[in-house]
Amino acid sequence: AQSVTQLGSHVSVSEGALVLLRCNYSSSVPPYLFWYVQYPNQGLQLLLKYTTGATLVKGINGFEAEFKKSETSFHLTKPSAHMSDAAEYFCAVSVFSGGYNKLIFGAGTRLAVHP
Amino acid sequence: DGGITQSPKYLFRKEGQNVTLSCEQNLNHDAMYWYRQDPGQGLRLIYYSQIVNDFQKGDIAEGYSVSREKKESFPLTVTSAQKNPTAFYLCASMMNLEQFFGPGTRLTVL
Repeated sequence: AQSVTQLGSHVSVSEGALVLLRCNYSSSVPPYLFWYVQYPNQGLQLLLKYTTGATLVKGINGFEAEFKKSETSFHLTKPSAHMSDAAEYFCAVSVFSGGYNKLIFGAGTRLAVHP
Repeated sequence: DGGITQSPKYLFRKEGQNVTLSCEQNLNHDAMYWYRQDPGQGLRLIYYSQIVNDFQKGDIAEGYSVSREKKESFPLTVTSAQKNPTAFYLCASMMNLEQFFGPGTRLTVL
C-alpha cells in the first residue's frame, strides 16, 4: 500500500537559512507527488507537483523539490527562509485504487522561522 | 473567480445533534473529497465522490454521511454517531490528479 512519511513534525530555522523538509514515499507504481502548504485556519495550497519528466520541480514562493526514485524521496527545499514561510507543509502521493484517484498525505511538518 | 467555498467557517454543535457542512465548487470538477484534520495527524479521508449520485467511503466514514445531487455541491453531515467530531474539516475537488481545497470549517462540540 502507498504511504508517505514526513521526517520531523517540527522544523525550526533562522530567517535566511536553508529550509529542508523531508518526505519519503512508498509506491508500487511510478508516483505522482505533491507538496502543499497550510497557513493557520486555512485550506491547503499547492506548492509544487511531480508527475513525469524533470526530477527537479520548481514551485511557488521559491520552493523546489527533487524526485529521487532510488531513495524514494521528494524533499522540499528553499535556499533562504522568510518569516512568511512559517506554516505547515504536507507531502502527498497520488494513488489509484478501485477505479478512483485519491491522495495519501503525510502527517505534516510545521515550519517555524525565527529572526 | 473559480474556487471552492465552505460554510460556515466556525460551527458549534451540542452533543447528540446532527450538523451539515456545506461545500460548493464552481471549477466544474467531477471529483470531490472530504477530509478531517486533527493536530499531528495530517488529513484523513472521510468520503469522496467521482461523479454526481456516486460516492465512496474513505478511511474514517463512520458517523458521517454525504450526498452528491449536483456537480457543484458535496455536503457533509456529521451525525450524532460520530463520537469525537471536534476537528477541522476540509473539502477539496480534483482535476488532473491535483486537489484544490476550500478554506475549511472548524467544528466544535460543546
